[in-house]
Amino acid sequence: SQQGEEDPQALSIQEGENATMNCSYKTSINNLQWYRQNSGRGLVHLILIRSNEREKHSGRLRVTLDTSKKSSSLLITASRAADTASYFCATDSGANSKLTFGKGITLSVRP
Amino acid sequence: EPEVTQTPSHQVTQMGQEVILRCVPISNHLYFYWYRQILGQKVEFLVSFYNNEISEKSEIFDDQFSVERPDGSNFTLKIRSTKLEDSAMYFCATRQGAAQPQHFGDGTRLSIL
Repeated sequence: SQQGEEDPQALSIQEGENATMNCSYKTSINNLQWYRQNSGRGLVHLILIRSNEREKHSGRLRVTLDTSKKSSSLLITASRAADTASYFCATDSGANSKLTFGKGITLSVRP
Repeated sequence: EPEVTQTPSHQVTQMGQEVILRCVPISNHLYFYWYRQILGQKVEFLVSFYNNEISEKSEIFDDQFSVERPDGSNFTLKIRSTKLEDSAMYFCATRQGAAQPQHFGDGTRLSIL
């Protein structure tokens, strides 16, 4: 798999359910970030987790990072229709902090 | 909340023409980036810029591309002679400092005819 590869590629859930999205990467990282992109819009930063952190929370978001498995997960609890979007993980690996993105996960939350 | 602003939102240009995409970074941010996203594909890094010089560039960022910060505020991406395959969304991103998240603009949709 490529750096910042998410799964599943598409996820459809009912409003109120939890959504879990996974990301795997190949190289060592400084940090890993999750972004949301609504159709035709820019990338909105959701959460950043550093390589020495294992879990982080922000509102309804929970991110975990397992550097031994080179993987991360994003959990959105109590999903809402407004959470419908594409979600990307991006790894920051180098001195200049360029981000390497995965292909993204399309999340559809049915009202 | 401060935002990264990009103009224009949509640019249609004939192949071979020059285009300049503009970005106004968040005011206290020091690190600047351009990314592009071809329709249906992943977001790809083009170039990073710090202290008025390029700090890193990708293979995509060939001699047809250039960046500058001419007036200390706007951060521009120029494509000298556009090709059909340059059609994409171009995103500017800025970052305040080390281990800080990058903040993205809404992008410029570039369509080459």
